[in-house]
Amino acid sequence: SQELEQSPQSLIVQEGKNLTINCTSSKTLYGLYWYKQKYGEGLIFLMMLQKGGEEKSHEKITAKLDEKKQQSSLHITASQPSHAGIYLCGAPVVSGGGADGLTFGKGTHLIIQP
Amino acid sequence: DTAVSQTPKYLVTQMGNDKSIKCEQNLGHDTMYWYKQDSKKFLKIMFSYNNKELIINETVPNRFSPKSPDKAHLNLHINSLELGDSAVYFCASSTWKQANTGELFFGEGSRLTVL
Repeated sequence: SQELEQSPQSLIVQEGKNLTINCTSSKTLYGLYWYKQKYGEGLIFLMMLQKGGEEKSHEKITAKLDEKKQQSSLHITASQPSHAGIYLCGAPVVSGGGADGLTFGKGTHLIIQP
Repeated sequence: DTAVSQTPKYLVTQMGNDKSIKCEQNLGHDTMYWYKQDSKKFLKIMFSYNNKELIINETVPNRFSPKSPDKAHLNLHINSLELGDSAVYFCASSTWKQANTGELFFGEGSRLTVL
């Protein structure tokens, strides 16, 4: 089964600084999804990447899927307190798409220091 | 209005008891899921329902029985609770098409503690 390894496990960053979170898959990714979880709440979908080399941005968050489609990075520019939370990468359980469910990494805990 | 709502939010119970967690979505979605997030923070899929039909059951013990009375509801019933069942259980929903792009809508989770 596919496993997703995220690094770092936790990250403390001063407000205004940039940061990067990585997600590495044990198998070829047929889709990679980034979610954010606020403490004590459910997950919120951020973005989806499917093609090798694809890069997407949403406000100050940019995610990229590498050419070999086994790794993705999430980059936050000029971090703000609202960026704090747990970031999880997810991939389809089966290669056909995410409708049969997703498998997730353990998550990266991001703390923003004022 | 909460899009995906779960009840209860917290549940503390004794080993051996039977309990249920309810999930309702008002988004008109046709696909619903149950995920389990254990103490190590791994989030794993348990069940997937599309139009009230079970699509997948990822090696979940048969003490866990999902029930979908209609497309808007997916309840989780757990028999003979064990210590290892302590976790946060998340309900999620989507349309089949959206789910294929990885976009799921999650509830806030139900924290189950088994003593």
